[in-house]
Amino acid sequence: NAGVTQTPKFRVLKTGQSMTLLCAQDMNHEYMYWYRQDPGMGLRLIHYSVGEGTTAKGEVPDGYNVSRLKKQNFLLGLESAAPSQTSVYFCASSQGTGQETQYFGPGTRLLVL
Amino acid sequence: AQKITQTQPGMFVQEKEAVTLDCTYDTSDQSYGLFWYKQPSSGEMIFLIYQGSYDEQNATEGRYSLNFQKARKSANLVISASQLGDSAMYFCAMREGANQAGTALIFGKGTTLSVSS
Repeated sequence: NAGVTQTPKFRVLKTGQSMTLLCAQDMNHEYMYWYRQDPGMGLRLIHYSVGEGTTAKGEVPDGYNVSRLKKQNFLLGLESAAPSQTSVYFCASSQGTGQETQYFGPGTRLLVL
Repeated sequence: AQKITQTQPGMFVQEKEAVTLDCTYDTSDQSYGLFWYKQPSSGEMIFLIYQGSYDEQNATEGRYSLNFQKARKSANLVISASQLGDSAMYFCAMREGANQAGTALIFGKGTTLSVSS
């Protein structure tokens, strides 16, 4: 059981380049989330989805877009990367039945030069 | 104002000793959930323990227990009999509206725990 997987694990971008981070879960979870983790800041919510075809903004959505075309996948896009987007990105999913736990992927480390 | 406050940037403990990691929270909801996650140096986020605001008993999971003091709005993590493998960053998190499925987590800034032999 793979749980939540993320690709890539690590990426270096130049300012202005674009990229897509992929999150996949095999637990049939309804809800999926993208967080970013910066030193001394804990994790902050970027965007989330409460079901296939739906997305919503979190605490720090600027500069990111997301899509949830399939229930098991949640994509995070950076259209024009900036150094401020250097961070570790975590995807998480949860069942959506109430007192559920969020399960996290291993993270993607992104460096924007 | 911060919703989740972890006042201890770093804690040091010896093997086999117990340690308490502090967490206070701020919410006006009556229904909420509190979580603790462990992040070892490898970077993954590992779920440790959950406490619902209406749970009457403190949550326990093996060597982990959550000291829930609702009136004080605190949810401290207690690790008994520390092991070297417990060395990691620990995050306290809250979901407001525990019965609202899918609400995202609000995280504290974390506490680094170092266990020595």
